Amino acid sequence: SYDLTQPPSVSVSPGQTASITCSGDNLGDKYTSWYQQKPGQSPVLVIFQDNDRPSGIPERFSGSNSGNTATLTIGGTQPMDEAEYFCQAWDSNTFVFGGGTKLTVL
Amino acid sequence: QVFLQESGPRLVKPSETLSLTCSVSGGSISNYYLSWIRQPAGKGLEWIGYVSNTGNTNYNPSLKGRVAMSVDTSNNQISLRLSSVTAADTAVYYCARVAGLGELSWRFDWWGQGILVTVSA
Repeated sequence: SYDLTQPPSVSVSPGQTASITCSGDNLGDKYTSWYQQKPGQSPVLVIFQDNDRPSGIPERFSGSNSGNTATLTIGGTQPMDEAEYFCQAWDSNTFVFGGGTKLTVL
Repeated sequence: QVFLQESGPRLVKPSETLSLTCSVSGGSISNYYLSWIRQPAGKGLEWIGYVSNTGNTNYNPSLKGRVAMSVDTSNNQISLRLSSVTAADTAVYYCARVAGLGELSWRFDWWGQGILVTVSA
């Protein structure tokens, strides 16, 4: 089975740039999506097809994907961005999720 | 805007079958695929499977043999059945819409609020 690996936690100061990575074999050959999940809420799609933003998602959210690593970047991180973030890809006829990264803004 | 609502028993006994329904409003399910995804408390997301608008299904191999999904286009609903449940199946169960042109670009653009199902005697 295909595995996506994320760091369990990332910390960032308000106003700074946060980067969350997602690693998998030749992940750059696939599309990666990213979801934000706040406590007690359903996940929200924030990036799809590596670097596209759904309508309503702030421009400070961006993504990249090359080689074995996809990265979610949040520029000018705000306290409201504190959440769990999950990456997701499609491999061998299945959806695969990363284990999630808790982003702390402090 | 698409609205998805999960419903069903919130308590299931071990070895029995978990049954959930996802009702969709704001769009006809004849136009897209829908998935079930679950999340144990404090843990990550696990894709369970999807059902197409024509009833084609694809399940996570880790659950194959225990899971069945179906679509009811006349009522704009899909259903999930998970048999022989154990405590490990206790989780919040979400239904979500699959978006994207082509499997490689597939993602989940709309999610239901989720329903907590507990497996316990």
